[in-house]
Amino acid sequence: EPEVTQTPSHQVTQMGQEVILRCVPISNHLYFYWYRQILGQKVEFLVSFYNNEISEKSEIFDDQFSVERPDGSNFTLKIRSTKLEDSAMYFCASSFTADFSPPQHFGDGTRLSIL
Amino acid sequence: AQSVTQPDIHITVSEGASLELRCNYSYGATPYLFWYVQSPGQGLQLLLKYFSGDTLVQGIKGFEAEFKRSQSSFNLRKPSVHWSDAAEYFCAVGAPPKTALIFGKGTTLSVSS
Repeated sequence: EPEVTQTPSHQVTQMGQEVILRCVPISNHLYFYWYRQILGQKVEFLVSFYNNEISEKSEIFDDQFSVERPDGSNFTLKIRSTKLEDSAMYFCASSFTADFSPPQHFGDGTRLSIL
Repeated sequence: AQSVTQPDIHITVSEGASLELRCNYSYGATPYLFWYVQSPGQGLQLLLKYFSGDTLVQGIKGFEAEFKRSQSSFNLRKPSVHWSDAAEYFCAVGAPPKTALIFGKGTTLSVSS
């Protein structure tokens, strides 16, 4: 079964540094998403992306965050100047449609640790 | 605003016993409802979904869930739990045209022998 692939599995970064999290969505999917899960808390939606544009974003997704599909296969999340509170598990997801049919497929996540 | 409540933070069940994980949602209309499972070190795997129709839905790994509109609930059940079911379980809702999934805080399931 096709999978969403995320790299790296664990990223350690100094506070204030830029970090890029990478995702390879399922190849025929058109919609891409980032979610995050702070340790012990719920999974939270960050952003959805379609046709090279942001479709929807949450209040969490402020100017420090950006997303990009730099080529035909990768989907990236950039955090410009990391803060301690950015430490979390970040999940990428993809889907063929926007209406949950079929549902979003998730990757295994990247654990981001800010020191 | 949409919200999802999973009242039980942690549940321990004996292997072979039945399981029910609770989920309540708050939304104006009937949203699309999902259960995801997260095993340690793994991503979120879809167990089952409800869009419309039959209120009892079957999923993978022997799980089922029942949608009850009057109670705004979508509880997950399994008749006989296996040790490999130990994981974290998330209930989620989606409501097109919004693209975001809204998750509950999750329930951690431990299985005792």
